[in-house]
Amino acid sequence: DSGVTQTPKHLITATGQRVTLRCSPRSGDLSVYWYQQSLDQGLQFLIQYYNGEERAKGNILERFSAQQFPDLHSELNLSSLELGDSALYFCASSEGPRATGELFFGEGSRLTVL
Amino acid sequence: DAKTTQPNSMESNEEEPVHLPCNHSTISGTDYIHWYRQLPSQGPEYVIHGLTSNVNNRMASLAIAEDRKSSTLILHRATLRDAAVYYCILRDVGGSQGNLIFGKGTKLSVKP
Repeated sequence: DSGVTQTPKHLITATGQRVTLRCSPRSGDLSVYWYQQSLDQGLQFLIQYYNGEERAKGNILERFSAQQFPDLHSELNLSSLELGDSALYFCASSEGPRATGELFFGEGSRLTVL
Repeated sequence: DAKTTQPNSMESNEEEPVHLPCNHSTISGTDYIHWYRQLPSQGPEYVIHGLTSNVNNRMASLAIAEDRKSSTLILHRATLRDAAVYYCILRDVGGSQGNLIFGKGTKLSVKP
């Protein structure tokens, strides 16, 4: 158990819909990261937040947005969903903002868009 | 970020040592070498990391070449539970962000 909690574990929805994925980081961790893993693209970094502020941005689509709340949990919002958005979405957390500590990953949220 | 090159797949027998290679010829002085693995249907997990010297922990050993252009992750006695995708990742501690950039990794199969 990494200490990172993601909900929901599974989600099935239709094209055009909007979903929200939630992540609670490990106790004491201030950084949260979101990753997307699809079969053909591997693990793709989406975005990093540190203590409520956006820290780094990766291959995140404009239809996707994220935020980190004062209690440090984070949400990833996916809108106007397309079939290609079907993937595993992982959240990870670390203590600080920089590449000096390990990342702890949750078990992922599996999104299926029909 | 400097890139790494790993074999797509490797096979091992249970209870035998496994050496997983990684090439990183463009590594810079502030890059640490990190290894993560991803077991089936799970999120990635940290395995080990190092800068210049060889490193050991309860999971594995990391052997780093003297010129730092390559490294090898060593699992001393592979178990069936070690079947996973292993990622070799360079992390620049001089950078301002903490994200990991994953490549395709090496898929390790362990035969009983």
